[in-house]
Amino acid sequence: EDQVTQSPEALRLQEGESSSLNCSYTVSGLRGLFWYRQDPGKGPEFLFTLYSAGEEKEKERLKATLTKKESFLHITAPKPEDSATYLCAVQAMSSNDYKLSFGAGTTVTVRA
Amino acid sequence: DTEVTQTPKHLVMGMTNKKSLKCEQHMGHRAMYWYKQKAKKPPELMFVYSYEKLSINESVPSRFSPECPNSSLLNLHLHALQPEDSALYLCASSQKITDEQYFGPGTRLTVT
Repeated sequence: EDQVTQSPEALRLQEGESSSLNCSYTVSGLRGLFWYRQDPGKGPEFLFTLYSAGEEKEKERLKATLTKKESFLHITAPKPEDSATYLCAVQAMSSNDYKLSFGAGTTVTVRA
Repeated sequence: DTEVTQTPKHLVMGMTNKKSLKCEQHMGHRAMYWYKQKAKKPPELMFVYSYEKLSINESVPSRFSPECPNSSLLNLHLHALQPEDSALYLCASSQKITDEQYFGPGTRLTVT
């Protein structure tokens, strides 16, 4: 069974204090790894898709990287508006139904 | 435009009521999804439609009945719900079932 573990559960940062979120996964062949941002009471917002080890993607202050066992979401010089829950999800190559397996998320709070 | 719309935003219903949730996208996506999300938990997949045909039903109780009238619309019919069904119901869509999913803002459902 696919497993996705995100750490830490919660992260409190000072504005400008860069940090990284971790997403470890166990899957029988990775089709794709997805990062989402979710604000309280709202739907997840798509950020990135990563397909193969070594791949990197950037968007503003966010950078996602992928290895064979984990993905990192780096937040550079965060601002208060980066406060959100960040969700990681994997899609297995062997899965016939292409379901996403989500991690529990990391809640990031950025203080001004 | 990557917008998925959902109505209503909030819904309060009694256990004997019948109500429907509506989801719409105009991105030409051919896969549409219903998720249920409880507080501080990741989204849980309920149903997947691919090319307007139900392709995944995650053993959801029959009091939830999905419908896909056309490629842009997805409904979720609710009947005889239980208080534990109170949650944020999210709709999502993707170009294909293997692609990144775009989520709507959700419907906050409260069952009294």
